[in-house]
Amino acid sequence: KAGVTQTPRYLIKTRGQQVTLSCSPISGHRSVSWYQQTPGQGLQFLFEYFSETQRNKGNFPGRFSGRQFSNSRSEMNVSTLELGDSALYLCASSPGQGRNSPLHFGNGTRLTVT
Amino acid sequence: AQSVTQPDIHITVSEGASLELRCNYSYGATPYLFWYVQSPGQGLQLLLKYFSGDTLVQGIKGFEAEFKRSQSSFNLRKPSVHWSDAAEYFCAVGGNNQAGTALIFGKGTTLSVSS
Repeated sequence: KAGVTQTPRYLIKTRGQQVTLSCSPISGHRSVSWYQQTPGQGLQFLFEYFSETQRNKGNFPGRFSGRQFSNSRSEMNVSTLELGDSALYLCASSPGQGRNSPLHFGNGTRLTVT
Repeated sequence: AQSVTQPDIHITVSEGASLELRCNYSYGATPYLFWYVQSPGQGLQLLLKYFSGDTLVQGIKGFEAEFKRSQSSFNLRKPSVHWSDAAEYFCAVGGNNQAGTALIFGKGTTLSVSS
């Protein structure tokens, strides 16, 4: 079974631009979550989608948004990029929506904002 | 508020020696606990999880962890470390059912293995 696929692997953007990251979950998984990983703040939860509905959202500004499509694929968008948005963005999928449903992570998209 | 603390930022262990990585959590109810490992340039891989029942849980790659409610701890252990175990290790706690699958992660412990 193919794992979680994130594209692209690397991105370089300029401050003020916007960016869209893509995530394809493991086949059959209906829950997709996004995390931001930085050296200073560590791993922080952004949001979770299940069956195209946002279930939970972390403590991030409205510039961070996401969506999930009917095939469970998900996209994350960051508008008006700031230098502090430079991070590794990890997508994770899960077969269920409960807290006993372990996350399977992709290899991430490394975003650099200059 | 829920939180996870990994007191050790960096640990160096000799190959073949035993390993224990510490994790302390703060959570009001019965926690759902996880250990993940991240190799450079990779995503996170689940090592093991604890939901309920036997407090000693076995995971992949020869790892185990013990849940101690009285100490609010979930320490990860391995009897004999291999050079390939060098990576960053994250402890995480799951919230209540309303939180879905969202996890709160510790800041991680980097493991170096010396020969």
